Amino acid sequence: EDKVVQSPLSLVVHEGDTVTLNCSYEVTNFRSLLWYKQEKKAPTFLFMLTSSGIEKKSGRLSSILDKKELFSILNITATQTGDSAVYLCAVEAGGGSEKLVFGKGTKLTVNP
Amino acid sequence: NAGVTQTPKFRILKIGQSMTLQCTQDMNHNYMYWYRQDPGMGLKLIYYSVGAGITDKGEVPNGYNVSRSTTEDFPLRLELAAPSQTSVYFCASSSTEGGSYNEQFFGPGTRLTVL
Repeated sequence: EDKVVQSPLSLVVHEGDTVTLNCSYEVTNFRSLLWYKQEKKAPTFLFMLTSSGIEKKSGRLSSILDKKELFSILNITATQTGDSAVYLCAVEAGGGSEKLVFGKGTKLTVNP
Repeated sequence: NAGVTQTPKFRILKIGQSMTLQCTQDMNHNYMYWYRQDPGMGLKLIYYSVGAGITDKGEVPNGYNVSRSTTEDFPLRLELAAPSQTSVYFCASSSTEGGSYNEQFFGPGTRLTVL
């Protein structure tokens, strides 16, 4: 059975801290791993990773994939209160249907 | 370009009632999906469609039905509502433009309560 596990499930930090969110997976026919941010509404897309070792960056957020060890991390530097959200990791399991298997998410709270 | 729209935003049903959750996308995406999200949980795939006239079951299809008569619309039908179907429902779409996978775009969600 395809599985995506995120850790920690919740995290509370102060503004300015750096955080690392983890995502490990076991899926058949891996094609890509995606990170989404969810703030009380629909998830919004952050990154899609398909190749090992290549870091994707967007401002203070960055992510990297390790296909050998089957995990990815999402880093957020200099956190702001606006970063408070649930961060979802999803893996595309193959078979031609582009189905995503989601983890439970990490709830990040950034306090002023 | 409205993206993915869903109606209604909220609904309360009595046990045994039926209803249809509407989903429309205007991005000409060939793939569409229905997810449910329970509190503190990730999204679970209910049904998906790879194109008009083609649908398939996801991880949790029991108690639901779908149809895809057009590229734009992908309604989700609950025939006999049960309390276990209380959840937030998200519709999403994606394309395979260029032969590669692209990220899924999500609608705003429908919060359904079954009492």
